[in-house]
Amino acid sequence: QVQLVQSGAEVKKPGASVKVSCKASGYTFISYDINWMRQATGQGLEWMGWMSPNSGSTGYAQTFQGRVTMTRDTSIGTAYMELSSLNSEDTAVYYCVRRAHGQAPDYWGQGTLVTVSS
Amino acid sequence: DIQMTQSPSTLSASVGDRVTITCRASQSISSWLAWYQLKPGTAPKLVIYKASTLQSGVPSRFSGSGSGTEFTLTISTLQPDDFATYYCQHYNSYPYTFGQGTKLEIK
Repeated sequence: QVQLVQSGAEVKKPGASVKVSCKASGYTFISYDINWMRQATGQGLEWMGWMSPNSGSTGYAQTFQGRVTMTRDTSIGTAYMELSSLNSEDTAVYYCVRRAHGQAPDYWGQGTLVTVSS
Repeated sequence: DIQMTQSPSTLSASVGDRVTITCRASQSISSWLAWYQLKPGTAPKLVIYKASTLQSGVPSRFSGSGSGTEFTLTISTLQPDDFATYYCQHYNSYPYTFGQGTKLEIK
């Protein structure tokens, strides 16, 4: 079955960076884009960007331009999202989500809590 | 960017009730709309895609309708497992924005 398994919770200081991993299984990794979303505590969902595991192409939401980098390692079927210059407003649960071209994002990872605190 | 406006923000209902959640887009998104169910501690779940197509494994009491700018999610007969928060999201063009969410709570 399709699974996206994310790395564990992180605690970071303001100004630091965090890198979250998302390991895919149960389907052909390069055939589906990976989207990243996040949800701050008590807030709604926010779309961060996308990456094509096949080509490595990416697209980021304006809010995160210059601070986010999405990459992948096709040899191990894993996608990564790195967010830099963290501040308290980046405290959130981060999700990776699979998406086929022209389709809705469907399978979600279990989420990774990133806490930014001094 | 396309703005998604979802209402109500909170909905109180009882088991067996029929409920409807509305989502409006700031411009036409054709039928490129999805609905997700979120429960604390679990991965979000796709419920409806392409505005009205039920995701595999989702009970038939869920239905979606609409196109263009107006969309609805209806749960025909609420079950205890349905109490959760629901979000609409368009995937017409990047960025894929979400509605603000509707928390469906037990009355």
